[in-house]
Amino acid sequence: NAGVTQTPKFQVLKTGQSMTLQCAQDMNHNSMYWYRQDPGMGLRLIYYSASEGTTDKGEVPNGYNVSRLNKREFSLRLESAAPSQTSVYFCASSEASGLVYEQYFGPGTRLTVT
Amino acid sequence: SQKIEQNSEALNIQEGKTATLTCNYTNYSPAYLQWYRQDPGRGPVFLLLIRENEKEKRKERLKVTFDTTLKQSLFHITASQPADSATYLCALDNSGNTPLVFGKGTRLSVIA
Repeated sequence: NAGVTQTPKFQVLKTGQSMTLQCAQDMNHNSMYWYRQDPGMGLRLIYYSASEGTTDKGEVPNGYNVSRLNKREFSLRLESAAPSQTSVYFCASSEASGLVYEQYFGPGTRLTVT
Repeated sequence: SQKIEQNSEALNIQEGKTATLTCNYTNYSPAYLQWYRQDPGRGPVFLLLIRENEKEKRKERLKVTFDTTLKQSLFHITASQPADSATYLCALDNSGNTPLVFGKGTRLSVIA
């Protein structure tokens, strides 16, 4: 039982390059989330998927797209990376999107855009 | 505007003492509030959830209170240990508009 896994762990991109961050969970959770964490800013929600087949914008969605590939996998795509997207990205999942449910986080992806 | 404030960026405390961390919020009406622990280089880990109609919740050495009148939650670690050193995040719901909203966290250092 691996929980929430994320790949890659580290990535360096040049401005304008694209990449996809992968996330998978093996807990049969319905809801999945993408956050970014920056010093002094805390965790901010980028996109979430309440259930398979649905996605919704969070607080900071600009510059990102997501795909809920199936119940297990939720990917985050940067189409044209910018230095402002340098951050640590966390994927999380929960049993459902009801607010009583705790979230389980992956280990994070450290992304640097030069 | 909506705000979640956690008392300070960093809190140092002597081993064995009780650590008290504060989470204040403005212009939210949360039905739930959660606390998470985050170690350097790792994702947050869920600790406790408290509902608006619960005044207090305990788990081993951890205690959380939730005062909707004061718009505040307090997180206590009794008999603190160096292993409790981490960043602690509070998170609350935004009345259904989006999932959890997180505070910026308080970095706790327990000194032996």
